[in-house]
Amino acid sequence: GQNIDQPTEMTATEGAIVQINCTYQTSGFNGLFWYQQHAGEAPTFLSYNVLDGLEEKGRFSSFLSRSKGYSYLLLKELQMKDSASYLCAAMFSGGYNKLIFGAGTRLAVHP
Amino acid sequence: DAEITQSPRHKITETGRQVTLACHQTWNHNNMFWYRQDLGHGLRLIHYSYGVQDTNKGEVSDGYSVSRSNTEDLPLTLESAASSQTSVYFCASSEGAGGEAFFGQGTRLTVV
Repeated sequence: GQNIDQPTEMTATEGAIVQINCTYQTSGFNGLFWYQQHAGEAPTFLSYNVLDGLEEKGRFSSFLSRSKGYSYLLLKELQMKDSASYLCAAMFSGGYNKLIFGAGTRLAVHP
Repeated sequence: DAEITQSPRHKITETGRQVTLACHQTWNHNNMFWYRQDLGHGLRLIHYSYGVQDTNKGEVSDGYSVSRSNTEDLPLTLESAASSQTSVYFCASSEGAGGEAFFGQGTRLTVV
C-alpha cells in the first residue's frame, strides 16, 4: 500500500506556531502536497515539495525529507481562520502519477 | 476565469438506481480525478484519467465507472447505488506530473 499517516487532531493558540507531521511510504514517491480544507468546502492548495528541504510561503512553510519519508507543514502566527483540516497528499509513480491523500489533521485554533 | 464545476451539488437517490455525477473543467488539464471523502478516511481515489479515452482504477473503484470522451469532462457513474456510497464526492484536475490539483466544490450524495 501507500499509507500516509498524519495526526487526527491538533489544537493551538492564536498567535502561536504549530507543526503538522506527515509520514509516507517511500517506494515510488514522486512529490508531496499540502492542502487546506475548511468544513464544507473543497480542498485548496498550500504547497508542493519534490526536493528535500524547506519551502516557505508567507506564514506557511513545508518541509520534506525523501529518505525518511517525512514531511511537515509549519504554520506561524496562527489566526482563527487557520482552523481547518490540513491534508497531506503524496504523489506516487508506477506508470502514472497519482495523488493519494492522508486522512487529514483537524486543527482548532483557540483565542 | 478557468474553473472546475460539479453537478449536482446535492443528490438523494434510492438504493439500486444508477446515478451519474458530472465534472467539467475549463483549465484544459489532461489529468482528472474523482475522490470520495468520508469521516475518518480522508479523500480516497476512485478513478482517474490522464487524457481522452484513458481511465484508471483508484483505491476504491468497485461500483463506480468513468469515461473520458473529451478533455473537459469526467462523469462518474454509480452503476447500482448502495448505502455505502453515501459520501461527499470531489472531482479534481491537474496539469502535468507535479501539477497542483484544483478541486470542484463537491457533490453530497445520499443513498436511501
